[in-house]
Amino acid sequence: AQSVTQPDIHITVSEGASLELRCNYSYGATPYLFWYVQSPGQGLQLLLKYFSGDTLVQGIKGFEAEFKRSQSSFNLRKPSVHWSDAAEYFCAVGVSGGYNKLIFGAGTRLAVHP
Amino acid sequence: SAVISQKPSRDICQRGTSLTIQCQVDSQVTMMFWYRQQPGQSLTLIATANQGSEATYESGFVIDKFPISRPNLTFSTLTVSNMSPEDSSIYLCSATTGRENYGYTFGSGTRLTVV
Repeated sequence: AQSVTQPDIHITVSEGASLELRCNYSYGATPYLFWYVQSPGQGLQLLLKYFSGDTLVQGIKGFEAEFKRSQSSFNLRKPSVHWSDAAEYFCAVGVSGGYNKLIFGAGTRLAVHP
Repeated sequence: SAVISQKPSRDICQRGTSLTIQCQVDSQVTMMFWYRQQPGQSLTLIATANQGSEATYESGFVIDKFPISRPNLTFSTLTVSNMSPEDSSIYLCSATTGRENYGYTFGSGTRLTVV
């Protein structure tokens, strides 16, 4: 069955430090991969997505992610974190087979120290 | 990408009652979905809302508890029936055109508290 694993439940970084959030997926075919961010009390905002082509994907707010098929990973990175980046981050895989539903990982809560 | 209006944004309901949540998209979309996000948890797919036919439910979710309608390509409702405190969650609507760019849009969610 398709699944998404985000191994880090909580991550704390200092403002200005670099960030990498991990995401591993299990899916038999070429996946469609997404990163969403959810701020407290807010809805989901799409940061970036990968469908095909260049494996390094640029997103909004200075985020990027790299698709590595050999590692079944799609890690999210940012070179310098801002205090406003504190939020919950969700990795998701798009599942084909007629319904194109999204399967979400458990999420990583990011805290940013001043 | 499409914009979703979801209402109500929040509600407090008595146990044993039902609540219907509405999801309106500003353009025609192929697929609409309903998710549940329990407190401190990730999103779990409840069902895919199919236009003109019965919804497709995920394992652990049944039509009697979560009846769904989708009368046209831009509107869907989710009803949470015979509520108990365990149903207290955020319910989110999502939509996609299903085209190559695979844009999935989410509503802002309905925060439901059952007392």
